[in-house]
Amino acid sequence: EDQVTQSPEALRLQEGESSSLNCSYTVSGLRGLFWYRQDPGKGPEFLFTLYSAGEEKEKERLKATLTKKESFLHITAPKPEDSATYLCAVRPWGGYNKLIFGAGTRLAVHP
Amino acid sequence: SAVISQKPSRDICQRGTSLTIQCQVDSQVTMMFWYRQQPGQSLTLIATANQGSEATYESGFVIDKFPISRPNLTFSTLTVSNMSPEDSSIYLCSVDTQGAGEQYFGPGTRLTVT
Repeated sequence: EDQVTQSPEALRLQEGESSSLNCSYTVSGLRGLFWYRQDPGKGPEFLFTLYSAGEEKEKERLKATLTKKESFLHITAPKPEDSATYLCAVRPWGGYNKLIFGAGTRLAVHP
Repeated sequence: SAVISQKPSRDICQRGTSLTIQCQVDSQVTMMFWYRQQPGQSLTLIATANQGSEATYESGFVIDKFPISRPNLTFSTLTVSNMSPEDSSIYLCSVDTQGAGEQYFGPGTRLTVT
């Protein structure tokens, strides 16, 4: 069964304290792995797509990487405005373009 | 990307009634999706709604409970029928504009059933 597991469930950082979020996945075949940011009361906001192991994408303080079994979202020198829930999703082969989401990591960055 | 709006943004409904949620996109898209996000949980796909074909429902979701319409390439509705408190959730629509898998989401409809 296709599955996505994110860790930790919650993470508290001080402003400027870099860290990484993990997304482990089990899927019959990976067509893509996606990272989203979700603020309270809003829909998820698309961040990155990764397609193959070794691929990396960057945007401001965020960098996403992909291996054959997991993806990391690295946050460098975070700011309070980076506080949000970060969701990982996979698109399996034969899945009719569906996305399977993990439970997310709630990130709180304190000044 | 795409700009997506949903109506209503929130509603409080009585059990046994039905609510229709609208999703409007600012461009023509083939693939639209409806998700449910229960309190404190992640997103679960309810169904895929492609224009010109019947909606495809995921395991655990049935058409009688969640009928979907897709009359054109910019609009879709999801109805939550015969509601119970367990249907209290956020309902989100999304679109895949390029067929590459990345989906763009609407702001969601927060439903409370009393």
